[in-house]
Amino acid sequence: DVKVTQSSRYLVKRTGEKVFLECVQDMDHENMFWYRQDPGLGLRLIYFSYDVKMKEKGDIPEGYSVSREKKERFSLILESASTNQTSMYLCASRYDTGGAYGYTFGSGTRLTVV
Amino acid sequence: GNSVTQMEGPVTLSEEAFLTINCTYTATGYPSLFWYVQYPGEGLQLLLKATKADDKGSNKGFEATYRKETTSFHLEKGSVQVSDSAVYFCALSITGGFKTIFGAGTRLFVKA
Repeated sequence: DVKVTQSSRYLVKRTGEKVFLECVQDMDHENMFWYRQDPGLGLRLIYFSYDVKMKEKGDIPEGYSVSREKKERFSLILESASTNQTSMYLCASRYDTGGAYGYTFGSGTRLTVV
Repeated sequence: GNSVTQMEGPVTLSEEAFLTINCTYTATGYPSLFWYVQYPGEGLQLLLKATKADDKGSNKGFEATYRKETTSFHLEKGSVQVSDSAVYFCALSITGGFKTIFGAGTRLFVKA
């Protein structure tokens, strides 16, 4: 079974800390994505990567950066965590379903910044 | 721009009731349409898809038909089960594009 694994299920961090969220996929997919999920807002795209060392900003990149040194791993970095970054973070990789692309998501990391 | 609007929840139904979750979209180009489901404590899973007008996607008893004339992709199931309790997301992607646009999600509760 294909998998996207996020390293932490729950995290609590202090304001100003640098935070790393890790994501690994075992499907050899080229495209990987980071979303945040907030009630009433659905999923909003933070960053995506279409190849190793390649990245593109999504809709809400401010306060975040990413790293993709290996194909299977895509990391989200909060440079200086703030309380408004308290959220559920979802990593996904994209695959071809035959005529359209689908996503496989990880279980999410619920981050609380205090 | 591209957007997805789905009905607000929560939706509460009794077991074996008929389910409809409405979804409408605006899009430039030729979108593919999707429904994803998120069970408690899990990530989203692709439930069904449709890639062109009049296509019907189906899976696990759920169905949705791609209606270009009404720009809609409503999710239906004839008889829901308690195990269908989850959050359902409608989504679209434009052919050749990198982004998928997700709706805000609709939470479904099914009572025994």
